[in-house]
Amino acid sequence: DADVTQTPRNRITKTGKRIMLECSQTKGHDRMYWYRQDPGLGLRLIYYSFDVKDINKGEISDGYSVSRQAQAKFSLSLESAIPNQTALYFCATSLGLEAFFGQGTRLTVV
Amino acid sequence: GQQLNQSPQSMFIQEGEDVSMNCTSSSIFNTWLWYKQDPGEGPVLLIALYKAGELTSNGRLTAQFGITRKDSFLNISASIPSDVGIYFCAGPTGGGNKLTFGTGTQLKVEL
Repeated sequence: DADVTQTPRNRITKTGKRIMLECSQTKGHDRMYWYRQDPGLGLRLIYYSFDVKDINKGEISDGYSVSRQAQAKFSLSLESAIPNQTALYFCATSLGLEAFFGQGTRLTVV
Repeated sequence: GQQLNQSPQSMFIQEGEDVSMNCTSSSIFNTWLWYKQDPGEGPVLLIALYKAGELTSNGRLTAQFGITRKDSFLNISASIPSDVGIYFCAGPTGGGNKLTFGTGTQLKVEL
């Protein structure tokens, strides 16, 4: 089983819908992250959390929110999805700097 | 925000060739990480650089700091088809608490 599991792996949703992407990890790491990947832009940080009571905005947090339900769970929500949020989304965990990634969620907003 | 630029953006090489790619930052980094992303997968850590002036190797992969420590280089020797993928550099930002990733170098290997 994967150490960092993302669900769903693929999702197509309509503009204006609320959608939640989930991430769970079995690595026992305190730090969790959500990144977005777009072609030619690399991975950009949306939100990160260093423990259950700690939530921090990354460089592109507008239009997104997160919830750290437990040490092992970190979910990303799009309150009202728009087409330019179509992207590949990755969850990651770390003890220090070295991050371990999930397999990604491909989200398409139509 | 911090920008990490990678070059080349993509490269198409013959199997068996050596590959070199680099990553540049607008500021000095004391740590550089190199990741590889296979198609349909999440990035996987290849090499972590913690000490300037030293080469760090992982099999056919070698990485090092640049002279100014505002850049880093990744070399792959004798490329094989499974080297195909996107290579990302990353460095610590936000007081060292988070990683900023580069724009990626896509490697394609011709048999």
